[in-house]
Amino acid sequence: DAEITQSPRHKITETGRQVTLACHQTWNHNNMFWYRQDLGHGLRLIHYSYGVQDTNKGEVSDGYSVSRSNTEDLPLTLESAASSQTSVYFCASSDLYEQYFGPGTRLTVT
Amino acid sequence: SQKIEQNSEALNIQEGKTATLTCNYTNYSPAYLQWYRQDPGRGPVFLLLIRENEKEKRKERLKVTFDTTLKQSLFHITASQPADSATYLCALDVKDSNYQLIWGAGTKLIIKP
Repeated sequence: DAEITQSPRHKITETGRQVTLACHQTWNHNNMFWYRQDLGHGLRLIHYSYGVQDTNKGEVSDGYSVSRSNTEDLPLTLESAASSQTSVYFCASSDLYEQYFGPGTRLTVT
Repeated sequence: SQKIEQNSEALNIQEGKTATLTCNYTNYSPAYLQWYRQDPGRGPVFLLLIRENEKEKRKERLKVTFDTTLKQSLFHITASQPADSATYLCALDVKDSNYQLIWGAGTKLIIKP
């Protein structure tokens, strides 16, 4: 069965460190998205991609970067982790409208 | 400012009754609206999509309405069951946004036996 996976599921890191969160989908979807979810907020879009070599900034992209070298993967990098980036991160993919989500990565920046 | 609002307080419903959740938005021109279910520790799961020119959509025990004049969508679960307990998120696709969604914060639904 097709799926979307994220790793690690939990991560604790220190302020200032570079962190990369992995996202891998086997749906063969062109569209991929990274969100963060914080209490009291809706999912907020960090970055998104419509295909290989395409990346775009979302609503809350400062301090984050992505790259898309193949259809399956969209890794999210925190260049220099800050405490404000403590959150749950979700990756999603879509063909058209419906988005399929991964299980999430809980990131704590100490 | 542009925003989507869902009831932040949990909704407690007796098993067997109909649960109704509300999603209101301002200052958007929607193409369609989606509803998702999210269980603790998991990613959201798609439930239903309704387009701007549709008034109502049904899927088994689920029904969604969309009133672009009132800028509101209602999500109904009939004959509710404890297994329906979860957080329900609405997401709005704005015209010409290329599949980007604007999300509400979600409403927690608790179905009591």
